[in-house]
Amino acid sequence: AQSVSQHNHHVILSEAASLELGCNYSYGGTVNLFWYVQYPGQHLQLLLKYFSGDPLVKGIKGFEAEFIKSKFSLNLRKPSVQWSDTAEYFCAVNAGGATNKLIFGTGTLLAVQP
Amino acid sequence: EPEVTQTPSHQVTQMGQEVILRCVPISNHLYFYWYRQILGQKVEFLVSFYNNEISEKSEIFDDQFSVERPDGSNFTLKIRSTKLEDSAMYFCASSESGVGPDTQYFGPGTRLTVL
Repeated sequence: AQSVSQHNHHVILSEAASLELGCNYSYGGTVNLFWYVQYPGQHLQLLLKYFSGDPLVKGIKGFEAEFIKSKFSLNLRKPSVQWSDTAEYFCAVNAGGATNKLIFGTGTLLAVQP
Repeated sequence: EPEVTQTPSHQVTQMGQEVILRCVPISNHLYFYWYRQILGQKVEFLVSFYNNEISEKSEIFDDQFSVERPDGSNFTLKIRSTKLEDSAMYFCASSESGVGPDTQYFGPGTRLTVL
């Protein structure tokens, strides 16, 4: 069965620190990968997505990610975090099939201290 | 920018009661989804819907659950007889095509509390 692992459950950083959140998936075929963010009290918003092509993906709000096929990973990065990046971050994958259901990781709660 | 909307934002109900959660997907989207997130757990797929039919459902989506598109804009999730374990945040999502690479856009969620 397909699964997604996010190894960091809680991350606390100071402003201007660099961020890297890990995401690994288990599926041998073609996958589409997503990072969503959920700010406090708000809905899931798409940060970035990887479908194919250039493994370096740029998203919104200065986020980027690198797809490493050999490691089954799409790690999320931001060179310098801000207090406003405090949120929960979810990695998700779909592997097609009958529909594009998303399989989510457990989420990483990021707290950025001013 | 078009958004998925959901009502109500919070629903409190007694065990055994029926609830209907409502969603308005983005207008030109054709595929609709329901997910739920029990407090402290991951977001889980419940069901997908296309062309007035269920495309796929998870094992969570048992006979107590049903979905409907009653008109051209709304997409509803009904829980016939709620249980305590149905307490969760329910998210609606929609996507344009649902095949191949496609992006799902989520609504703000309905927090369901079953007492």
